[in-house]
Amino acid sequence: DQQVKQNSPSLSVQEGRISILNCDYTNSMFDYFLWYKKYPAEGPTFLISISSIKDKNEDGRFTVFLNKSAKHLSLHIVPSQPGDSAVYFCAASGIGKSTFGDGTTLTVKP
Amino acid sequence: NAGVTQTPKFRVLKTGQSMTLLCAQDMNHEYMYWYRQDPGMGLRLIHYSVGEGTTAKGEVPDGYNVSRLKKQNFLLGLESAAPSQTSVYFCASSYGRPDTQYFGPGTRLTVL
Repeated sequence: DQQVKQNSPSLSVQEGRISILNCDYTNSMFDYFLWYKKYPAEGPTFLISISSIKDKNEDGRFTVFLNKSAKHLSLHIVPSQPGDSAVYFCAASGIGKSTFGDGTTLTVKP
Repeated sequence: NAGVTQTPKFRVLKTGQSMTLLCAQDMNHEYMYWYRQDPGMGLRLIHYSVGEGTTAKGEVPDGYNVSRLKKQNFLLGLESAAPSQTSVYFCASSYGRPDTQYFGPGTRLTVL
């Protein structure tokens, strides 16, 4: 049973518009959530995180929202830039380790 | 700082051969992890370590062994490679839990 799901395999947006990437989880024991970004032929790199005691965290153009009752988090990128084109992984952390979603490929068109 | 490095970057094995993937980190992190990533899928945890001399199983440990003899190194071994182990392998490290993981560049392994 997949505990972290990213239901949209891909997303395409125009440069300057908002990108919204979604992630759902099933395990209520997860208490820390992260987003990673991955370019081809590279390892994932950390983007932004949020603790379960918060419902929002911002870092520049990136904002993560957490809805604990719905077991849902989202990543907003505003404004989107062509350099944001990458695979985005959602991860949820529980005791000892993180569980990753399958990723969403974001394409930002100039 | 080199961060997390992985050796080798690419490898082709024949079924039944063995090999060891080396991961090294210079950030003095306690936790280290091995993941595999298959096309269209996320990162699946193979094994992890919460400190020197410790190892634990992840989601997909079968066919792999690991060792953490030194804090900075985490080795992943395949004793008898199978085509199902064709994948990209990523090593990561973190200071603790929960914490940001720092990933290596990956090793692309093909088993024929």
